[in-house]
Amino acid sequence: EAGVAQSPRYKIIEKRQSVAFWCNPISGHATLYWYQQILGQGPKLLIQFQNNGVVDDSQLPKDRFSAERLKGVDSTLKIQPAKLEDSAVYLCASSPLAPGVYSGNTIYFGEGSWLTVV
Amino acid sequence: GENVEQHPSTLSVQEGDSAVIKCTYSDSASNYFPWYKQELGKGPQLIIDIRSNVGEKKDQRIAVTLNKTAKHFSLHITETQPEDSAVYFCAASSRGMRFGAGTRLTVKP
Repeated sequence: EAGVAQSPRYKIIEKRQSVAFWCNPISGHATLYWYQQILGQGPKLLIQFQNNGVVDDSQLPKDRFSAERLKGVDSTLKIQPAKLEDSAVYLCASSPLAPGVYSGNTIYFGEGSWLTVV
Repeated sequence: GENVEQHPSTLSVQEGDSAVIKCTYSDSASNYFPWYKQELGKGPQLIIDIRSNVGEKKDQRIAVTLNKTAKHFSLHITETQPEDSAVYFCAASSRGMRFGAGTRLTVKP
């Protein structure tokens, strides 16, 4: 079974530029997550989708971050304009969350997209 | 919301010794507690998990214990090997998954 796919793996941009990350979850997984992992810290949830609807985006800095999952499969996370403090690994994850079941589902992570803002 | 604290932040053991990592959580509604291993340059990988209706779970050299009353859970690795060296994260899930800050485990040959 193919895992969670992410691209690009590495990106270096200047502050105030924009960047987009793409994620393809495990086939059939209803729930997709974007996490931000700053060096030396645990992953922090940015946004959670169930199918193509947003379940939780309470920690997403909406003035500069946006995410979409238009057809309930692939997802894109965009940052515009980027700040120095956005340097982190952006992890996409998915889980086989059944409709109506909210918690207790295993989350599978991709390899991450490493962003450096200079 | 849920708050997960993890200790220690770094742990160094000799090969063959045991390693224990501890986590506490704040939300009594949390019912699922996974542990992830993250190697350099890779995403976190699930190594073991436990649900709130179970007190202990074991998988070969890895075990997890859960004390719901005290709201803490622990990861135990026995007979450690150099390939166990990595960063380990605990997490707790109620209305969403929250992660601890991680423990960097070094197993010295």
